[in-house]
Amino acid sequence: GESVGLHLPTLSVQEGDNSIINCAYSNSASDYFIWYKQESGKGPQFIIDIRSNMDKRQGQRVTVLLNKTVKHLSLQIAATQPGDSAVYFCAENIKNSGYALNFGKGTSLLVTP
Amino acid sequence: DTEVTQTPKHLVMGMTNKKSLKCEQHMGHRAMYWYKQKAKKPPELMFVYSYEKLSINESVPSRFSPECPNSSLLNLHLHALQPEDSALYLCASSQDSTDNYGYTFGSGTRLTVV
Repeated sequence: GESVGLHLPTLSVQEGDNSIINCAYSNSASDYFIWYKQESGKGPQFIIDIRSNMDKRQGQRVTVLLNKTVKHLSLQIAATQPGDSAVYFCAENIKNSGYALNFGKGTSLLVTP
Repeated sequence: DTEVTQTPKHLVMGMTNKKSLKCEQHMGHRAMYWYKQKAKKPPELMFVYSYEKLSINESVPSRFSPECPNSSLLNLHLHALQPEDSALYLCASSQDSTDNYGYTFGSGTRLTVV
C-alpha cells in the first residue's frame, strides 16, 4: 500500500545549527500531516501540523513546509538544542479513509555540543 | 486538561495472565485509538473508536479486546498474550471522526510478556 517515508534515517547536527528533516508521501489524497517528536520511553509528542490547503506553517522554532507538487513534507528546527535530540515521525491522514494516522519510519536527530 | 493519561506505565505479565490497559482523556474528544509500537519502529494502528463505537479493527488477534465504557475512557483487555506482543502500547484521541485536530498521544504502557 501507499505509505509515508523519510529520506534519512539519522541526522546529526551541532548545537545552534538549523535542522531539516524530510518526509515523502505518495498518496495525493492525504490532506492532513503532523510531525511528532518521540523521546526514549515516551509517547509521540505533537510538534506541528499542516493541512493540504497550506504550504507553510510556523511554530516556536519549528516550521513545516508542504510541497504538494512533489508530495514532500519537511520539518525545520531553528537553533537546534540538545533537548531536541529524539526520533521525529511524520504522519499523514487520508481524507475520508478513517481516522488513523499513517506514520513514516522516523528520523533519529542527534544534537552534538 | 490537554492530556491523554495511560495506566499503568509499565506492565509485566505471564502468558496465562489477564490484564487491562487503561486510557483516559478529558478534552471532549470523540475518537480514541490504540496503537502498538515495537522498538525503533513507528506506531501501528490497532483499533479506532468513534463516538464510543468500534469503527476500525486492524485485524488484531482476539487476545486483544478493546472496550470503550464512555467517551472519556478506553480500555485494552489482554489475555493469553505471547512474548512477541511485548511492545509500547499507545492510546491517542482526536476531536472527532471528521476532524483529526488535536490528535494527542499518551505516554504509553510498556508491556513485557514473559
